[in-house]
Amino acid sequence: GQQLNQSPQSMFIQEGEDVSMNCTSSSIFNTWLWYKQDPGEGPVLLIALYKAGELTSNGRLTAQFGITRKDSFLNISASIPSDVGIYFCAGQTLYGNKLVFGAGTILRVKS
Amino acid sequence: DTAVSQTPKYLVTQMGNDKSIKCEQNLGHDTMYWYKQDSKKFLKIMFSYNNKELIINETVPNRFSPKSPDKAHLNLHINSLELGDSAVYFCASSQPQGTEQFFGPGTRLTVL
Repeated sequence: GQQLNQSPQSMFIQEGEDVSMNCTSSSIFNTWLWYKQDPGEGPVLLIALYKAGELTSNGRLTAQFGITRKDSFLNISASIPSDVGIYFCAGQTLYGNKLVFGAGTILRVKS
Repeated sequence: DTAVSQTPKYLVTQMGNDKSIKCEQNLGHDTMYWYKQDSKKFLKIMFSYNNKELIINETVPNRFSPKSPDKAHLNLHINSLELGDSAVYFCASSQPQGTEQFFGPGTRLTVL
């Protein structure tokens, strides 16, 4: 089945630092999504990407849809304590209506 | 004005029992989903319904039965609960084709 490899598995950074995480796959995806999950809550959509090469920002977050359609990255600039959580990438194929999720990146921020 | 709501938030029960989790969305979406998140936080889809019709049924034991009385509700009934069913279950909804899915707050199920 389709799998997404998300890295790093976890990060512990200093407040103010920039963060980068990525997802890769052996399969082509038509859509890439990035979600954040806070403890005890459901995942919340951060950014959706629909075209290969697309670069989209949402405040301090920037995500890109890889040109090969097999990867995506998420950057967070100038991290703050409330950035703490688990970040998930998710991909959707052209004709499927299910999302395949990466294993998540646990982000911890030291203030 | 909760978009996707689930009840209960926590569910603790004994092995062998039958339990249900309810989900409602007020986003006007046609498609709803159930996901299971295991102890390693891995999210995996279980079921998807579009306008009350089952469209995705992943390899899930038939002890799990989703029911959609209308397109705003998708409930999950679990028979003969097992220890391995302990997890957090998330409901989600989207427009058809499921590109942007909105998740509920989750139900933490603990089977003793």
